Amino acid sequence: DAGVTQSPTHLIKTRGQHVTLRCSPISGHKSVSWYQQVLGQGPQFIFQYYEKEERGRGNFPDRFSARQFPNYSSELNVNALLLGDSALYLCASSASGTGGFSNQPQHFGDGTRLSIL
Amino acid sequence: GENVEQHPSTLSVQEGDSAVIKCTYSDSASNYFPWYKQELGKRPQLIIDIRSNVGEKKDQRIAVTLNKTAKHFSLHITETQPEDSAVYFCAASIPGQGNLIFGKGTKLSVKP
Repeated sequence: DAGVTQSPTHLIKTRGQHVTLRCSPISGHKSVSWYQQVLGQGPQFIFQYYEKEERGRGNFPDRFSARQFPNYSSELNVNALLLGDSALYLCASSASGTGGFSNQPQHFGDGTRLSIL
Repeated sequence: GENVEQHPSTLSVQEGDSAVIKCTYSDSASNYFPWYKQELGKRPQLIIDIRSNVGEKKDQRIAVTLNKTAKHFSLHITETQPEDSAVYFCAASIPGQGNLIFGKGTKLSVKP
């Protein structure tokens, strides 16, 4: 079975531009979460979507937005890019359990490496 | 909000020795604690997880222990091998919230 897939793998942008990152979850998984991982740090939570609704938002500015589509794939959008947005953006998917969307094992994709010049 | 502290930041062991990585969390409501292994340039890989109704869980050479009273949990790797070399992250999650709060990671080096 295919794991979580993300595209593109690498992206170079300049300050002020906009970027869209894409994620396809593991088949059957209805929850998708986005994380930002800066070099040398642990992943930091940005958004979670479950059944196409936003279920959680981390401490990120409004320049960051996301959505989930009927097929459970997801997009992360970042506007007005800053140098500090350079990072690895990870998508994780999880199945729903008795706890719903929370506290389920999350499986990560390979990420999108975003570099801002 | 929840905060997860992880120690040590780097750990070097000889092949065959054991390695222990420790994490503490701040929110007593947290009830799910996964561990991830991330090799250089690769995705974080879930290696083991534990829920708050369990004190210990083992999977071959890997074990995790949880002390709810002290609010800390640990990863134990026995008979380490060079392929265990990676960065290991602990995380915690609160019921009703889907996000994971990660520690800053431990770089484990296993020397042959």
